[in-house]
Amino acid sequence: EIVMTQSPATLSVSPGERATLSCRASQSVSSNLAWYQQKPGQAPRLLIYGASTRATGIPARFSGSGSGTEFTLTISSLQSEDFALYYCQQYYNWITFGGGTKVEIK
Amino acid sequence: QLQLQESGPGLVKPSETLSLTCTVSGASISSSTYYWGWIRQPPGKGLEWIGSIYYSGITYYNPSLKSRLTVSVDTSKNQFSLKLSSVTAADTAVYHCARHLRLPDWFDPWGQGTLVTVSS
Repeated sequence: EIVMTQSPATLSVSPGERATLSCRASQSVSSNLAWYQQKPGQAPRLLIYGASTRATGIPARFSGSGSGTEFTLTISSLQSEDFALYYCQQYYNWITFGGGTKVEIK
Repeated sequence: QLQLQESGPGLVKPSETLSLTCTVSGASISSSTYYWGWIRQPPGKGLEWIGSIYYSGITYYNPSLKSRLTVSVDTSKNQFSLKLSSVTAADTAVYHCARHLRLPDWFDPWGQGTLVTVSS
């Protein structure tokens, strides 16, 4: 099983600042990496797939990068609605998710 | 607009079978070459893929759950279902259903999820 590790567990950021979230795979997943946003009581929302392709309707302030074992989700200027949980998921070898990063207001 | 909605009992006794249904609206399960999956999220923990079913009925299960798991599809009702047998407290979680294009793949969209608690 490919283990996905996200860091940090919690990220405190002020509105308008940049947020950088990391996701590491225990072995290479090529570019088979997705990012999701989840708010309390809501379904996860797909943000990024293929490591760097934004899903339909996702604002340009969200960007993904990386390949192999190291991946990054960047939110260029945090808006109030961006404070949420973020998960990465690999789909190279079956399907596994990271433990999540909570982005909270500083 | 495609929407998925989970339904089923919110409380299941240990050793019994957990049964959930996902109702799909806005698209026909039988007319689309998609996979339909289940993902769960224990309280305070991360996400775990449970299993998926192709529109034709072919199933794919997480090896860690395979021995207890059955996923089926009812195209006449535009629904797919999950049955997990011999449940324990470790199976307490929010259960989501979701669509994906390939296996393996990303999930989009997801249902809001339903909390199932395993307790006597």
